[in-house]
Amino acid sequence: DAGVIQSPRHEVTEMGQEVTLRCKPISGHNSLFWYRQTMMRGLELLIYFNNNVPIDDSGMPEDRFSAKMPNASFSTLKIQPSEPRDSAVYFCASSLDRERADTQYFGPGTRLTVL
Amino acid sequence: SQQGEEDPQALSIQEGENATMNCSYKTSINNLQWYRQNSGRGLVHLILIRSNEREKHSGRLRVTLDTSKKSSSLLITASRAADTASYFCATARAGGSYIPTFGRGTSLIVHP
Repeated sequence: DAGVIQSPRHEVTEMGQEVTLRCKPISGHNSLFWYRQTMMRGLELLIYFNNNVPIDDSGMPEDRFSAKMPNASFSTLKIQPSEPRDSAVYFCASSLDRERADTQYFGPGTRLTVL
Repeated sequence: SQQGEEDPQALSIQEGENATMNCSYKTSINNLQWYRQNSGRGLVHLILIRSNEREKHSGRLRVTLDTSKKSSSLLITASRAADTASYFCATARAGGSYIPTFGRGTSLIVHP
């Protein structure tokens, strides 16, 4: 298995632009998680899906952030408009199912820089 | 809010020495996991210990859990330069959603 796939690996954009991050979970995994990692705040859970349905989005910082999972093999995290404080590494992770959501498999991350 | 907190924040040792990292948490847990993150990479799951277990081994890794003290330790024996990474504990709250909450991590440097 290729593992969790994220694209792009690096993104540099200017303030105010829309940013879309993409994730392909491991085939057969039913839960998908989006995290943000910064030096200041560590690893923060933004949102997680189970069977393509958003379960908890309380970690989403504000309305500028939105996430979708149109099918079991694809998810997006969108920031519109982007701001410099959104600069971070964004990780997607998947796990086998919600009730055993204890072992997560992380993608390589997308390093976002907003100028 | 972060449930687990690792200690120390940074650890520097020589190859061959043992490395011990600790994790403390505040509320009752269902399980506790340790993950490793190499620079520029995603987190990799190392080991999971459940609340009714006291010790687990995996290769050169030894994890202990003391629920009375709400703490866990990760021991890496005979460390190698390749063990250089950040190590995170993640706790799943008892009666909670099973979603692990990550600490801030311990940065380990193993000098060859």
